[in-house]
Amino acid sequence: EIVLTQSPGTLSLSPGERATLSCRASQSVSSSYLAWYQQKPGQAPRLLIYGASSRATGIPDRFSGSGSGTDFTLTISRLEPEDFAVYYCQQYGSSPPWSFGQGTKVEIK
Amino acid sequence: EVQLVESGGGLVQPGRSLRLSCAASGFTFDDYAMHWVRQAPGKGLEWVSGISWNSGSIGYADSVKGRFTISRDNAKNSLYLQMNSLRAEDTALYYCAKDSFSIAVAQFDPWGQGTLVTVSS
Repeated sequence: EIVLTQSPGTLSLSPGERATLSCRASQSVSSSYLAWYQQKPGQAPRLLIYGASSRATGIPDRFSGSGSGTDFTLTISRLEPEDFAVYYCQQYGSSPPWSFGQGTKVEIK
Repeated sequence: EVQLVESGGGLVQPGRSLRLSCAASGFTFDDYAMHWVRQAPGKGLEWVSGISWNSGSIGYADSVKGRFTISRDNAKNSLYLQMNSLRAEDTALYYCAKDSFSIAVAQFDPWGQGTLVTVSS
């Protein structure tokens, strides 16, 4: 099973600042099958990024994903008030089990 | 609009059983794999089980293998999770999630709002 480690655990930033979230895999993620999800309090997770760098439908272009192999990054170019949430990375592909990182909380400074 | 509505959660004693359901609408249900993902209170996300479009491929997390059974009824646009021999550590919000593909690759989009399962005596 691939173990995903996200850092930092908490990111304290102000609206308008840039957020950089990291996700490191214990082994190479095949075909960049790496997704990012956003979860706000009391809500279900929402798919933001798939295939490491493709934005899901309706996701603003301030969200971008990059990386390959074992190192991946989610960048929010300018934080909007609605972006303060918990973000999870997840590896997917043809064979289970599929795993999530432990999450990064982006909080208002 | 895609909608996934879970039901069947509740308070159950350790060792007992519970069956969760997920009613799907707004898309061609039998074109997609489906999954259950859970989240313990205040914790992260854990994939539980997935099933391909035709039930031909099924997978489970090690933590539930042998105790949980996933199934689907394409005629009723419904997904199920039969949970037996429940333990305190199964306490969680259980989400139903649609896969982006017909085979299970676990790209979850979208998710339902979840149904809460509490295992306690």
